[in-house]
Formats: sequence, structure tokens, C-alpha cells
Amino acid sequence: AQKITQTQPGMFVQEKEAVTLDCTYDTSDPSYGLFWYKQPSSGEMIFLIYQGSYDQQNATEGRYSLNFQKARKSANLVISASQLGDSAMYFCAMRGISGGGADGLTFGKGTHLIIQP
Amino acid sequence: NAGVTQTPKFQVLKTGQSMTLQCAQDMNHNSMYWYRQDPGMGLRLIYYSASEGTTDKGEVPNGYNVSRLNKREFSLRLESAAPSQTSVYFCASRSQLGIGVWGHQPQHFGDGTRLSIL
Repeated sequence: AQKITQTQPGMFVQEKEAVTLDCTYDTSDPSYGLFWYKQPSSGEMIFLIYQGSYDQQNATEGRYSLNFQKARKSANLVISASQLGDSAMYFCAMRGISGGGADGLTFGKGTHLIIQP
Repeated sequence: NAGVTQTPKFQVLKTGQSMTLQCAQDMNHNSMYWYRQDPGMGLRLIYYSASEGTTDKGEVPNGYNVSRLNKREFSLRLESAAPSQTSVYFCASRSQLGIGVWGHQPQHFGDGTRLSIL
């Protein structure tokens, strides 16, 4: 079975500061993918960034980067120069090569990020 | 550029009523999924369909049925709604063409259906 743990239920950050959202995972799959999604108050799920377990470099996508530490089973999302529009729920998710028994994503409970002016 | 379209966006049902949530994608994706999101929790997989004509159970399938009508459409049916099924339901799709060697590809989500069962 796969499990995602996000230990920060909520965070308050000043605008323009960098933010790190924590994510640890547990899986027995030899190959897996890690994903971060953003859910604004309007409710839609927006894909942000992906990291493959065998990728040699940490993923980056604009202001988003993923601090992937495989030995520690962590995949923290870093948002540089935060903006008011970054206020949202953020979900870490993973998919194993076996899908954990089902071909879907396993999600954490999320972190509610609030950017303050 | 519609992506994944879910209907309806909101619905209120009485206990015991039935209804079908509709989902359609225009990205030519093979795989489609239904999730539910409850307060304070992440999304949980209800059912998925790897291709037209196939469906499989996810983590929380009890009380639901699905139909993969064709490549574009994947519906979720509640035969006898219960208050415990009050939730936000998301449909998603994914391409079979993956990123990197192992074929992982992000899922693209619809805007969700807010379902309340009284």
C-alpha cells in the first residue's frame, strides 16, 4: 500500500517569501511518480509539478521546484517568491508502477497555504 | 479547450434517490478516474477505467457503479444515495503516453460535482 503524509495542515507566509511544503511518502513500488496539485478556493485541481523516482535531477517548473530526497522518502514542494495568488490547498500525490493495486493517485490530506500581503 | 467536463456542478438528493454523474474528456485519453474529496482529506479513488470497456475498483467503491460508455465518457452512478456519500466528486483522465521511462503522466481533473444527500 502507498501512503502520503503532509504534516502541515496550514501555513501563513509573507508575500515574496519562499515557501516549502512538506511531503513524505511510503511505498514498496520500485518505480513511482510524485505529483503536486494546487486547489484554489474555486475548487479545481491544477497540476503543478512531477518527479519520477528514477529522475536524476530535481524537477523545476517556473516558480515551483521539488526537493526530492529519495533516501528520506520526501518530496517537498518549494515555491519561490510567493504571490497572493498562491493562496490555496496544496496536495502531494503519488502513483506507483503497480498503482498500489489500482491505477490511481494516492493523495495526502493537503496543506492550506495563505499568503499574506 | 474544454479538457475534462463534469455535469452537474451541484446536486442535492434525498436519501435513497439515485443519480448519475457525467464526465467527458476531449483529450483522447485512455484512462479515466472518479475520486471523492471529503472535508479535511485528500482525494480518494472510487473507480477507474484503463481503457474503453474496462473498469476496476479503487479504494472506496462501495455504493457506486461506473460505466465507461466510450473513450470520451465515464459516468458514476449512485443507486441509492446515503448521507455518507455527501462529498465533492472529481473526474480525471490521463494519457497513456508517459513522462520519462516509466510512463508516469499527470491526471487532468474536471471542476468537480458538489453532491449533498439529505
